[in-house]
Amino acid sequence: DQQVKQNSPSLSVQEGRISILNCDYTNSMFDYFLWYKKYPAEGPTFLISISSIKDKNEDGRFTVFLNKSAKHLSLHIVPSQPGDSAVYFCAASLYGGATNKLIFGTGTLLAVQP
Amino acid sequence: EAGVTQSPTHLIKTRGQQATLRCSPISGHTSVYWYQQALGLGLQFLLWYDEGEERNRGNFPPRFSGRQFPNYSSELNVNALELEDSALYLCASSRTSGRSYNEQFFGPGTRLTVL
Repeated sequence: DQQVKQNSPSLSVQEGRISILNCDYTNSMFDYFLWYKKYPAEGPTFLISISSIKDKNEDGRFTVFLNKSAKHLSLHIVPSQPGDSAVYFCAASLYGGATNKLIFGTGTLLAVQP
Repeated sequence: EAGVTQSPTHLIKTRGQQATLRCSPISGHTSVYWYQQALGLGLQFLLWYDEGEERNRGNFPPRFSGRQFPNYSSELNVNALELEDSALYLCASSRTSGRSYNEQFFGPGTRLTVL
């Protein structure tokens, strides 16, 4: 049972345009969401996060939006750059306690074309 | 500050053998997590160790086990290897979890191939 889903395995965007990566989840108990970026042969690196008490978090070119009623979050990258080409994973967490594990989606491969 | 390190980078084993993967967390981090990324799948949570104890376990059979040493480094052992155990195994570390989420920092992974 995939609790965190990224339905688009890949996305291609022109340099300078907006990249929108989507993620859906099923467990309403998730209260912390994260985006990780992964380059080949490297471990995932943290990008941006959002608590369930917020609906938007912005960090430079990266903005994450959370729609709790739809159980949907998205990552916007504006403007997209060739160096952003990587696999992006969304992840969800049950805050603290004995379940401090991340539930990851299957990832979306973003290709930013120069 | 050194990041999370994992060894070996690649590991080739045959079916039925045992594999041992190692992880050193970032200095000051006491929690270590293990994830499996099989081909075409996302990262699947395997194990979480904190202060030397197993705190949580993912939906994996008992032949996946591990431990955390007093210096907070960790080992993941996979016994009776099966072909489907071929995957990238990622280790992450964080400050002690307590009652709040602490960011997990990932190592580069160990690529395990079972022939």
